[in-house]
Amino acid sequence: DGGITQSPKYLFRKEGQNVTLSCEQNLNHDAMYWYRQDPGQGLRLIYYSQIVNDFQKGDIAEGYSVSREKKESFPLTVTSAQKNPTAFYLCASSMYARQGDYGYTFGSGTRLTVV
Amino acid sequence: RKEVEQDPGPFNVPEGATVAFNCTYSNSASQSFFWYRQDCRKEPKLLMSVYSSGNEDGRFTAQLNRASQYISLLIRDSKLSDSATYLCVVSPSYQLTFGKGTKLSVIP
Repeated sequence: DGGITQSPKYLFRKEGQNVTLSCEQNLNHDAMYWYRQDPGQGLRLIYYSQIVNDFQKGDIAEGYSVSREKKESFPLTVTSAQKNPTAFYLCASSMYARQGDYGYTFGSGTRLTVV
Repeated sequence: RKEVEQDPGPFNVPEGATVAFNCTYSNSASQSFFWYRQDCRKEPKLLMSVYSSGNEDGRFTAQLNRASQYISLLIRDSKLSDSATYLCVVSPSYQLTFGKGTKLSVIP
């Protein structure tokens, strides 16, 4: 079955550490996105990529980095520069040319907690 | 004005009730519109797209008014399983812009 997989489901990070969240899709989607959701808040865009080897900053990119070396994969690194990284992180993908018809498919998310 | 604004909620309704959610958006160039559903501590899932002519999917009806930049979602005969947060989503470009959501609790 096609889908989008995020791992791990739960992640604990010590202050000052970098951590990488995995996102893999087998939907053959061109575009991939990373969002952050805080309790009671809407989704905020961190980074997005419309094509392999290219990505753009979203609204809250500071303290985060991404790569898009393969169409299927879009990992997100939360660096020590991110001041308040505890949040629910959601990865999504869309068929680039027709996302307006179908919207996004989301992974099940990663809950990151700084300890 | 926020890009996508929704009723703050929460809405607590009895089973069988009809409930309506409203949403306004600020970017008149928006082309695509959706309602997503998000269960507690889960990812958002597409509930339905919203078309200019309005569309219905079982107990759910979505309406779009481009002149007023307004979207609505109507749920008839609400079920306990409808309890969730409903997100209004608008696409002015290749990205989606999400509202903060309205929480619905259907009570037995």
